[in-house]
Amino acid sequence: DGGITQSPKYLFRKEGQNVTLSCEQNLNHDAMYWYRQDPGQGLRLIYYSQIVNDFQKGDIAEGYSVSREKKESFPLTVTSAQKNPTAFYLCASQTRQNTGELFFGEGSRLTVL
Amino acid sequence: GIQVEQSPPDLILQEGANSTLRCNFSDSVNNLQWFHQNPWGQLINLFYIPSGTKQNGRLSATTVATERYSLLYISSSQTTDSGVYFCAVGSFQKLVFGTGTRLLVSP
Repeated sequence: DGGITQSPKYLFRKEGQNVTLSCEQNLNHDAMYWYRQDPGQGLRLIYYSQIVNDFQKGDIAEGYSVSREKKESFPLTVTSAQKNPTAFYLCASQTRQNTGELFFGEGSRLTVL
Repeated sequence: GIQVEQSPPDLILQEGANSTLRCNFSDSVNNLQWFHQNPWGQLINLFYIPSGTKQNGRLSATTVATERYSLLYISSSQTTDSGVYFCAVGSFQKLVFGTGTRLLVSP
């Protein structure tokens, strides 16, 4: 089935460690996004990529890094510079050929101890 | 940047009741989408509706772009409708999410 797969679903890390969250899509979508969600809040955009080997900062990019070496994959690294990394992270994809509907993965919940 | 306000913040319904959720936004947009987040965190796209009216089963949505608001109607609500409903507005590439309406439908 076509879709977006995020892994891991749950992740615990110690302060000061970098963490990489995986996002893979087989929808043949050009654009991919990373959002962060805090309890009781809406989603905030971290990074997005419209095409391979290109990505743009969103509203809260500090302390995060991404790469887009393949169309299907858009991993997010939460670095030790991110001051408050505990959150729910959601990856989404979007085709450029249609209306721009976003499709989301199931999310990764990161807890930093 | 663009501001998005959703109301009400919380809503409790008896199964079978109807409801209307509202999304106000501060600037003209060419992209507006409604999402449902289930209790496990999964976000499902309900509507892409920058203007006009759409219907999908018991759900329908209307956006009046000139007055900068959108409405999501839920008819004959079911317990599976529980969760958080988000409105997101903006450009093709960048959507700004509201803080959501948390809906609880009781049997």
